[in-house]
Amino acid sequence: QVLLVQSGPEVTKPGASVKVSCKASGYLFTTYYVHWVRQAPGQGLEWMARIIPDSGDTYFAQKFQGRITVTADTSTNTAYMQLSRPTFDDTATYYCTRSSLRDWYFFDVWGQGAQVTVSS
Amino acid sequence: SSVLTQPPSVSVAPGNTATITCEGDDIGSETVQWYRQRPGQAPVLVIYYDEDRPSGIPERLSGSRSGNTATLTITRVEAGDEADYYCQVWDSDHDPSFVFGGGTKFTVL
Repeated sequence: QVLLVQSGPEVTKPGASVKVSCKASGYLFTTYYVHWVRQAPGQGLEWMARIIPDSGDTYFAQKFQGRITVTADTSTNTAYMQLSRPTFDDTATYYCTRSSLRDWYFFDVWGQGAQVTVSS
Repeated sequence: SSVLTQPPSVSVAPGNTATITCEGDDIGSETVQWYRQRPGQAPVLVIYYDEDRPSGIPERLSGSRSGNTATLTITRVEAGDEADYYCQVWDSDHDPSFVFGGGTKFTVL
């Protein structure tokens, strides 16, 4: 069974940083992109970034350039997303999801989401 | 630039047919995906490449694309279909490249 299991809820202060993990199982980790998508309370889905786990190649939405770090550890099949200098507007559920390296257009498996709250 | 427009809400009685649309200037040249998100849950892919269904998605859900509009059709609507539905395209000329519609809240009356 293909699974993406994310870390638990986080509370962070404005200006600090927060890191979310995403552990993959049931498939060959290196043959899929891992993406990060977020959803603010009551809002829609927003794509943030993606990584190729094997090479570490990353690509970010311009909005998050300079604030987001995405990494992957192929020894543990785990991807990470770190958001720096968060503001209250970064309060959201952060999802990891995957798309194949060949058919990258769609996301076929999603993590359960990680709630991140930015609060002073 | 790819902006995808969905109706904020659609309501249909059980047993009837529902259609949810997704309009965008680039839909004519981009493949469209649809995701279902039930309350408190992660999104689930229900349609990819305009009309293909992943395994486990019933045939009652179907997708189509014509001109600048993609459509998700749900026949024989059931209570379990109630959810938010999002369309999505990949557009290399847009930032971000993966674009979601604003979502449609689908209610079963």
